[in-house]
Amino acid sequence: DIVMTQSPDSLAVSLGERATINCKSSQSVLYNPNNKNYLAWYQQKPGQPPKLLIYWASTRESGVPDRFSGSGSGTDFTLTISSLQAEDVAVYHCQQYYSTPRTFGQGTRLEIK
Amino acid sequence: QVQLVQSGAEMKNPGASVRVSCKASGYSFSDYYMHWVRQAPGEGLEWMGWINPNRGGTRYALKFQGRATMTWDTSINTAYMELSRLTSDDTAVFYCARAGTAESWYFDLWGRGTLVTVSS
Repeated sequence: DIVMTQSPDSLAVSLGERATINCKSSQSVLYNPNNKNYLAWYQQKPGQPPKLLIYWASTRESGVPDRFSGSGSGTDFTLTISSLQAEDVAVYHCQQYYSTPRTFGQGTRLEIK
Repeated sequence: QVQLVQSGAEMKNPGASVRVSCKASGYSFSDYYMHWVRQAPGEGLEWMGWINPNRGGTRYALKFQGRATMTWDTSINTAYMELSRLTSDDTAVFYCARAGTAESWYFDLWGRGTLVTVSS
């Protein structure tokens, strides 16, 4: 199984500041024939289901504000919120869909400082 | 409207079974993989398995093999997840999540979740 490890477990950032969440996979999720990283990011607010933010490691889902961006390749990935807004308070999960079983990171809780 | 509507909360005794339904609307149900994900209180997301209505296939996480059964009814665009031999550790919210038409795809649509509480 591919183990996904996020860091940090929790993060407090001031409004308007940058937030950075890291995700590391135990093996590469880059599929060389199509040069795609099979890595997604989800946002989950309290009492709600996860919501897709980023897929293929860096493609923003339709309707997601452009302050959210994803980067990385192979085994190391980053979700960046360029200017934190109050509505971004949530738990963020990374997930690999390269292989079965699908696996998620443990989640990173983002709060306002 | 593209959505997944799940069945309501359930309370079960230990040893019982539970069946959760997930009704799809606004898209062609058979064309997409459907996954099931579990989230225990205060915990992360745990993948349980997927169904492929188009090809008639299922795949389960090793942890749930023999205890989870995922089925579907294309006539009513509904997927089902049944979990047997429940214990208190199965108390969780269960989500259905749509993936793409290919096996390796992200989850772009989620149901609101079904809370299953296992307690005597």
